[in-house]
Amino acid sequence: DIQMTQSPASLSASVGETVTITCRASENIYSYLAWYQQKQGKSPQLLVYNAKTLAEGVPSRFSGSGSGTQFSLKINSLQPEDFGSYYCQHHYGTPYTFGGGTKLEIK
Amino acid sequence: EVKLLESGGGLVQPGGSLKLSCAASGFDFSRYWMSWVRQAPGKGLEWIGEINPDSSTINYTPSLKDKFIISRDNAKNTLYLQMSKVRSEDTALYYCARRTVVDWYFDVWGAGTTVTVSS
Repeated sequence: DIQMTQSPASLSASVGETVTITCRASENIYSYLAWYQQKQGKSPQLLVYNAKTLAEGVPSRFSGSGSGTQFSLKINSLQPEDFGSYYCQHHYGTPYTFGGGTKLEIK
Repeated sequence: EVKLLESGGGLVQPGGSLKLSCAASGFDFSRYWMSWVRQAPGKGLEWIGEINPDSSTINYTPSLKDKFIISRDNAKNTLYLQMSKVRSEDTALYYCARRTVVDWYFDVWGAGTTVTVSS
């Protein structure tokens, strides 16, 4: 199975700051990488797919990059509604696996 | 409105069984692969398995293959997860999720149903 390793596990930042979350795959997954946002008590919501394509309705301050085994999610100018947890997921065949998550908290 | 609504969760004793349901609305359920994903309290997401539109292909994460059975009824627009021989580590929030038609990520998620395994 492909293992997904996210870092950092937690992150504290202020409104207006820029943050980057990274995700590493244990083998080449080309660009088959999705990112999800999960707010407390809510279900995950798709943010990015195919490594860099924003899902419908996702603000342009979010951006995804990377290919192969190294990926990142960047959030420019953090807004209050951006705080929560973020997960990467490879979509390069089954079993799909998720990263361990990054909890983004308000400083 | 595209919607997934899980139900059937609750308290179950260790070794017991439980069947979860996921009712779909607002889209052509019979065209989509559907998955179950779970999240233990305070933990990350774990993909359980998926089923294709006509139920001819069902994939599971290897470690859970002997514990869960995924099925669907397209006439009822409903996805199911039969859980058996449950253990405390199966305590989690269980989500159903829709996989996109052309690719393998999840664009619609339900709100989840909670399963608690305890005596």
